[in-house]
Parts: sequence; structure tokens; C-alpha cells
Amino acid sequence: GAVVSQHPSRVICKSGTSVKIECRSLDFQATTMFWYRQFPKQSLMLMATSNEGSKATYEQGVEKDKFLINHASLTLSTLTVTSAHPEDSSFYICSASRLAGATGFFGPGTRLTVL
Amino acid sequence: EDKVVQSPLSLVVHEGDTVTLNCSYEVTNFRSLLWYKQEKKAPTFLFMLTSSGIEKKSGRLSSILDKKELFSILNITATQTGDSAVYLCAVEAPPTGTASKLTFGTGTRLQVTL
Repeated sequence: GAVVSQHPSRVICKSGTSVKIECRSLDFQATTMFWYRQFPKQSLMLMATSNEGSKATYEQGVEKDKFLINHASLTLSTLTVTSAHPEDSSFYICSASRLAGATGFFGPGTRLTVL
Repeated sequence: EDKVVQSPLSLVVHEGDTVTLNCSYEVTNFRSLLWYKQEKKAPTFLFMLTSSGIEKKSGRLSSILDKKELFSILNITATQTGDSAVYLCAVEAPPTGTASKLTFGTGTRLQVTL
């Protein structure tokens, strides 16, 4: 089956720093990538949808200047959490899709802890 | 606003029991309903349902969709401790003119004990 990787798997940083998370589709070209956030004991919440070569579409309530998404190629999307604060501590998961549909393949997730 | 509601929120059963997990939804532009199993990391795909009344099976797991009543169930028979996980239901319902996206329910936390 299709493989999606995320890096890093875990990151701990100080408040105020920026953190970049990479999502790669390893054996297929991902037209669309989705970024989700999951707080403890809660479900996945879609943050944004990104299509290769164009600006990401953010969900309501997600600050686009704080969560920068770049989808520079068909196999790589990055999420940068700028000036991270403790309330940004969460599990960030990407999903990559070959087509325009949302039923893509999930990456293993990145656990971010902001001290 | 699209809504996906799962019940029960959590469940503890003994190994060998059969469980039924519920998912109801209220969305515009329904396309498909998906079930995922989430253990410690990202969700793993179980089923995708698009048509009413057609049961999908994979081993001890099965699922069915009722598009008239707007719900789906996930059945697990002869449960094993390895079935302990959070089961997530998600609905694909693309807003008109935009890319498709998934709306997730809060999940059902299943614990199977010996």
C-alpha cells in the first residue's frame, strides 16, 4: 500500500520557537495533502488542505500566518508552526491523496510539545 | 456545519464478545463514510462506504451504511485484546466548489479485557 512519512515523529521545543514538520508521499504523487491536529482524547480536526503549487485552504479558526503550509512538490508538504506556544502542543497528522478526494493515506503523525 | 457523532464514547468488553459501534452524521454533499482504527499513532483505514445496505467485511470486522437514516455501524465479532483502540468514523463531504475533506467523529474508545 501507499506510504506516507512524517518527520520528525516527535519534537519538544521552547515557547516562541518555530517548528517545521515534513510530510512525504514515498511511492506516489500526492495531488492533495491534508493537515490535521489531534488534541489528547479528541478527534482529528482538519487544519488545512494544500494542493501542489497553490496556496493552502485553511479551515475556519486556523490562523494561516501561524501555521504556514508549503506544498512545493507532488511528494512533499511542510507545516511550520511559527512562534509556538504551549497551547499548540498536539499531535499533527498529514494525509496525502493521489486525487482530489480526501480519502488519502495518513502519515504516522508528529507529536509536538511546546514547553 | 457538518457533524459526525459516534457512540458510545467508550466501551469495555471481554475477549470474545461482539461489539457494535455507531456513527451518525449530518452533512451536506455526502460522498462517503470511512472507518479508521487508531492505536497509538495515526489512524489506519478499515472501510469506505458509499452505498446504502451493502455490508463490507474484513475478517471479524464488518460495516454497513444507511444513507436514509444517516448512520453507519461497525461490528467486531469475537473481540480480541488487539482490537483495543479508538475507532474513528469520518465523512467525506466536499463543500461545493472546493476540494474534498473529511469530518471526523470524536471516536469510540474500545477496551477488550481478558
